[in-house]
Amino acid sequence: NAGVTQTPKFQVLKTGQSMTLQCAQDMNHEYMSWYRQDPGMGLRLIHYSVGAGITDQGEVPNGYNVSRSTTEDFPLRLLSAAPSQTSVYFCASSYSRTSSRYNEQFFGPGTRLTVL
Amino acid sequence: GIQVEQSPPDLILQEGANSTLRCNFSDSVNNLQWFHQNPWGQLINLFYIPSGTKQNGRLSATTVATERYSLLYISSSQTTDSGVYFCAVDLNSGNTPLVFGKGTRLSVIA
Repeated sequence: NAGVTQTPKFQVLKTGQSMTLQCAQDMNHEYMSWYRQDPGMGLRLIHYSVGAGITDQGEVPNGYNVSRSTTEDFPLRLLSAAPSQTSVYFCASSYSRTSSRYNEQFFGPGTRLTVL
Repeated sequence: GIQVEQSPPDLILQEGANSTLRCNFSDSVNNLQWFHQNPWGQLINLFYIPSGTKQNGRLSATTVATERYSLLYISSSQTTDSGVYFCAVDLNSGNTPLVFGKGTRLSVIA
């Protein structure tokens, strides 16, 4: 298994540009989520999904959209990038509800985004 | 919402020393995980430990759910242990998102 993969690893945007951060997992995990990590802070939840077709907001959802059309993929869209969205973005997934460790989460390698 | 507090915020150790990192949380939890973020930014699962004690090599963890805290022990520290250690929990209400503490930054010097 490749685990949780994210692309790109690095990205520089200009204010107002849009882009999509990709996240995929090959473990048939039901639950997927996006976090952002800013200096001196822990990770904060942006959006999450408990299964295909279902998404919900986390702690800091403004300026981001998500969709979950397949179990494997959970892309994060920045609609109009702002300097405040400069951060490192992590995608995570966890086991299905049928597993005894269903809420243990695994993280991708991260995407470092800079908005100028 | 649930609060997660980690202590100490920073820790400097001589190689070979032992240390204890603490995580306090404000509500009953369904899940508690410890992660190590290495200097390259990668988040590595250390323990999935909503209760009880687990050991993996030089690392061990104990969670006392009724008293709302967890401890991570590092013995005979090595320079490769450097990085940030995060505790994360989710609420005792099913498949809910993780809430992270702000981490403990560990520096192990030779």
